[in-house]
Amino acid sequence: DAGITQSPRHKVTETGTPVTLRCHQTENHRYMYWYRQDPGHGLRLIHYSYGVKDTDKGEVSDGYSVSRSKTEDFLLTLESATSSQTSVYFCAISERAGDEKLFFGSGTQLSVL
Amino acid sequence: KNEVEQSPQNLTAQEGEFITINCSYSVGISALHWLQQHPGGGIVSLFMLSSGKKKHGRLIATINIQEKHSSLHITASHPRDSAVYICASFTSGTYKYIFGTGTRLKVLA
Repeated sequence: DAGITQSPRHKVTETGTPVTLRCHQTENHRYMYWYRQDPGHGLRLIHYSYGVKDTDKGEVSDGYSVSRSKTEDFLLTLESATSSQTSVYFCAISERAGDEKLFFGSGTQLSVL
Repeated sequence: KNEVEQSPQNLTAQEGEFITINCSYSVGISALHWLQQHPGGGIVSLFMLSSGKKKHGRLIATINIQEKHSSLHITASHPRDSAVYICASFTSGTYKYIFGTGTRLKVLA
């Protein structure tokens, strides 16, 4: 199994509070992705990174920011959480863009009350 | 914009049955992935295809580039195959995957 861990696994927070989710990898892969998974939708890309300090927006990036100061860590921040951001968040990594091997973390269940 | 659609959305089968899950996409792509999401939520990559067919154990994936269609087949299905199966397209230059909504498979003993 690829070395990719997400933390926390579960979080309950209140509307308006900042929240940071962490994705940590031990594979030294270049590409890291943050997705959210909601009923009736496929996984939707929030932000991705193609190297240290190199990030770009995905299709649902509003209300989210990311940072990647080290190869192994990709942080997702909700600056001011809203109920619409209640979701399951997945981090994924790959060595190359479109690589055959795309590895996912175990997910973070976030509830914003 | 590429759209990825899967069918059926839900599928119940008896153990031992041959299963087919379909995935279609609207624009040309570089590759297509099949993923499995376990009941506990974990997601595992099964195949990546850019042409032809791939086989791994009882799983077979095919892709028809001209028809923009891929299928995932499971032979001799087993209850442990119960999961959500997701297809995702990838287009070179975009760095992005577009995911289908998944097919929920339940195999009964």
